[in-house]
Amino acid sequence: DAGITQSPRHKVTETGTPVTLRCHQTENHRYMYWYRQDPGHGLRLIHYSYGVKDTDKGEVSDGYSVSRSKTEDFLLTLESATSSQTSVYFCAIRDKERNTGELFFGEGSRLTVL
Amino acid sequence: QKEVEQDPGPLSVPEGAIVSLNCTYSNSAFQYFMWYRQYSRKGPELLMYTYSSGNKEDGRFTAQVDKSSKYISLFIRDSQPSDSATYLCAMRADTGGFKTIFGAGTRLFVKA
Repeated sequence: DAGITQSPRHKVTETGTPVTLRCHQTENHRYMYWYRQDPGHGLRLIHYSYGVKDTDKGEVSDGYSVSRSKTEDFLLTLESATSSQTSVYFCAIRDKERNTGELFFGEGSRLTVL
Repeated sequence: QKEVEQDPGPLSVPEGAIVSLNCTYSNSAFQYFMWYRQYSRKGPELLMYTYSSGNKEDGRFTAQVDKSSKYISLFIRDSQPSDSATYLCAMRADTGGFKTIFGAGTRLFVKA
């Protein structure tokens, strides 16, 4: 258990509203990632963080921002949600103890934008 | 063109069959190759990991990497109903923030 908690697990919102998803980890991992998962596309990287206040873009970062003010929390924000952002969002951490760079994932946050 | 291509299936097989799952990729910088298994409404979990080319076996699972062809495979022997899940190939380079790129995932059903 990598000690990853995502919240909320389910959210329904309307187009144009802001949404923040939270990823919380308890094991002091340096690297954290946000992915979205959609049918036919698999997991696509949105943003990632390699330390407090250190973040970078992934392949589908448009419309999303992130923040990491503490090691344990990585926030994903949709400033103005659109229907195309309806998806399942997964947070992941990279296990620094393993040379494989294995990713451990949270349980996912299912977001529906109406 | 996607960096990683994977047939989404679904793939349906009888219990006891040998399953072959495959991915192709275009980025020659990829060095680490992984297979994740994802059960319905759960997060993916690492199943197999291979560095560079070659084979790796773990119980009923065998992972193969052919870097010359940019092709990776996962074989499942004596498949069980409990193997029913989505299998995602994944890969990454040595640099670039340890960004892992995933295939679309293949949905596998093993019928009892």
